[in-house]
Amino acid sequence: EAQVTQNPRYLITVTGKKLTVTCSQNMNHEYMSWYRQDPGLGLRQIYYSMNVEVTDKGDVPEGYKVSRKEKRNFPLILESPSPNQTSLYFCASSPGSTNTEAFFGQGTRLTVV
Amino acid sequence: EDQVTQSPEALRLQEGESSSLNCSYTVSGLRGLFWYRQDPGKGPEFLFTLYSAGEEKEKERLKATLTKKESFLHITAPKPEDSATYLCAVHFYNTDKLIFGTGTRLQVFP
Repeated sequence: EAQVTQNPRYLITVTGKKLTVTCSQNMNHEYMSWYRQDPGLGLRQIYYSMNVEVTDKGDVPEGYKVSRKEKRNFPLILESPSPNQTSLYFCASSPGSTNTEAFFGQGTRLTVV
Repeated sequence: EDQVTQSPEALRLQEGESSSLNCSYTVSGLRGLFWYRQDPGKGPEFLFTLYSAGEEKEKERLKATLTKKESFLHITAPKPEDSATYLCAVHFYNTDKLIFGTGTRLQVFP
């Protein structure tokens, strides 16, 4: 089954404790991206990757890192999480560029206390 | 600044009561406009892509249309299972990013 898989689905952590949210897709898509979704603000793009070893900042990249060492994986790293990073996070992949339909993961609900 | 605005924020319909959702955008060159459906606790699910003014796409009770400044998602004779949040996203010419609106939360009552 074609899918985007994120782990974990739920995470509660403390301020400053480094964490990684994994994202993997099995559709051989080139384009992958991370979003956060907050009430009243909608989905905002954090980082995106056009292909392996190519990443770029989205609208809200501060406090986040990403890497794209393999085509299928695109982990999101929070080096020193803060409470304002409490949010619902989605990973997405697309077959081509931004201008094609995106497939989203199920989401990761992160709480930083 | 490129911006995407959806209205209304929330919409309550009786089953069978047709209506439309709106997505308007400030224009700096549109490459594509996307509609997604999002159910509570789930990731957005792709519905339609529109690329040029005058284009229309249909799927079951949903029909998406596009003009130079806005897109409409028409829902004909909705059913309770159509209840969800509908998101609009725009890809502008001068960026590789996708900009989302804040969505319209649709509730359809039997």
